Amino acid sequence: KNEVEQSPQNLTAQEGEFITINCSYSVGISALHWLQQHPGGGIVSLFMLSSGKKKHGRLIATINIQEKHSSLHITASHPRDSAVYICAVRFLGETSGSRLTFGEGTQLTVNP
Amino acid sequence: EPEVTQTPSHQVTQMGQEVILRCVPISNHLYFYWYRQILGQKVEFLVSFYNNEISEKSEIFDDQFSVERPDGSNFTLKIRSTKLEDSAMYFCASRLLSSYNSPLHFGNGTRLTVT
Repeated sequence: KNEVEQSPQNLTAQEGEFITINCSYSVGISALHWLQQHPGGGIVSLFMLSSGKKKHGRLIATINIQEKHSSLHITASHPRDSAVYICAVRFLGETSGSRLTFGEGTQLTVNP
Repeated sequence: EPEVTQTPSHQVTQMGQEVILRCVPISNHLYFYWYRQILGQKVEFLVSFYNNEISEKSEIFDDQFSVERPDGSNFTLKIRSTKLEDSAMYFCASRLLSSYNSPLHFGNGTRLTVT
């Protein structure tokens, strides 16, 4: 069964700490998305990657295709980073780019 | 920056009623999607739409659901006869291309409450 697992489920950090959120998936993928869901529910796409590493500001996303694992890192975390971070993948063999399978999300709380 | 807009932000309806959730995707995008998130659960794929037809749908997207793009700008999701279990946040998304390196843009969602 095609599955996406995220860890941890909940993460509390102090402002300035380095954060890592992990995502593992069961079979080969063609793309992996990291999404941010705000407290009001809206979803923002942070990264889309199929190999290597991407960086945007204080956010870094890495993926290891052989190990079927991706990480999202936040450097110098800030209270405004508090949100749910969701990993979503497109498994190989899916007929279009549409069917994403989502992880359960990681609730991040950054305290001042 | 262009964005995907969804209306209404919150819809309350009685069981058995029809609802239409509306989305205005980014204007030059070609691929459109609906996802839903039941409270406390994962986001789930419902349907994708391209070239005025459904390109893929999930097991959730049964005969009670339909989508259309009536006027070239709006993209709607209709639920014919709502059930209590349809209560969820519904997200519309769009992208320019189908390829994996074309970013996916989400709307802020419509919270549907069926009573």
